[in-house]
Amino acid sequence: AQSVAQPEDQVNVAEGNPLTVKCTYSVSGNPYLFWYVQYPNRGLQFLLKYITGDNLVKGSYGFEAEFNKSQTSFHLKKPSALVSDSALYFCAVRASSYGNNRLAFGKGNQVVVIP
Amino acid sequence: EAQVTQNPRYLITVTGKKLTVTCSQNMNHEYMSWYRQDPGLGLRQIYYSMNVEVTDKGDVPEGYKVSRKEKRNFPLILESPSPNQTSLYFCARGDIPLGGRETQYFGPGTRLLVL
Repeated sequence: AQSVAQPEDQVNVAEGNPLTVKCTYSVSGNPYLFWYVQYPNRGLQFLLKYITGDNLVKGSYGFEAEFNKSQTSFHLKKPSALVSDSALYFCAVRASSYGNNRLAFGKGNQVVVIP
Repeated sequence: EAQVTQNPRYLITVTGKKLTVTCSQNMNHEYMSWYRQDPGLGLRQIYYSMNVEVTDKGDVPEGYKVSRKEKRNFPLILESPSPNQTSLYFCARGDIPLGGRETQYFGPGTRLLVL
């Protein structure tokens, strides 16, 4: 079974400061990892994913994430947060084993960027 | 424009009254899935479909049915809704399924209240 932990319910950051949203995962074998963002009253938007290769993945809106296999983590980062980044962020994982078609999401992190 | 559409977007119903939430995609993707989002629980997968006439249970399938008679549509059926099915529901489509590498793209959501 695969699972994701997003340990913080809410992340507060001042505008212009670095933003980090934490994610750790548990999966058998190699993981496929995803980050999604949900703005108020909207659906989920895909930000980025790690499948294989370079551990640092760059995505939409200036976000990036670093895959760390030894720490089983995939933290989302942005060097300089904007007020418009205030949203709910979800990390998700799927095992890369053949026939595994189920995606497990974390409970989400509310990010509040303070002007 | 690639889209996932869901209807209705908002629905209030009573216990036991059968309902269907439709989901349609215009990208001819094989993979489609349904999730429910609840506060503090993140997204949980209800059912998914790898192709026409191929469906499988996710993590929380109890009380739900799905069908995939054609590639573009993947309706979610609640035969006898109960209050614990009050939730926000998302349909998703996946591109180029390659052992789980696909990215899932989500619809706008359907907010259901069961009285």
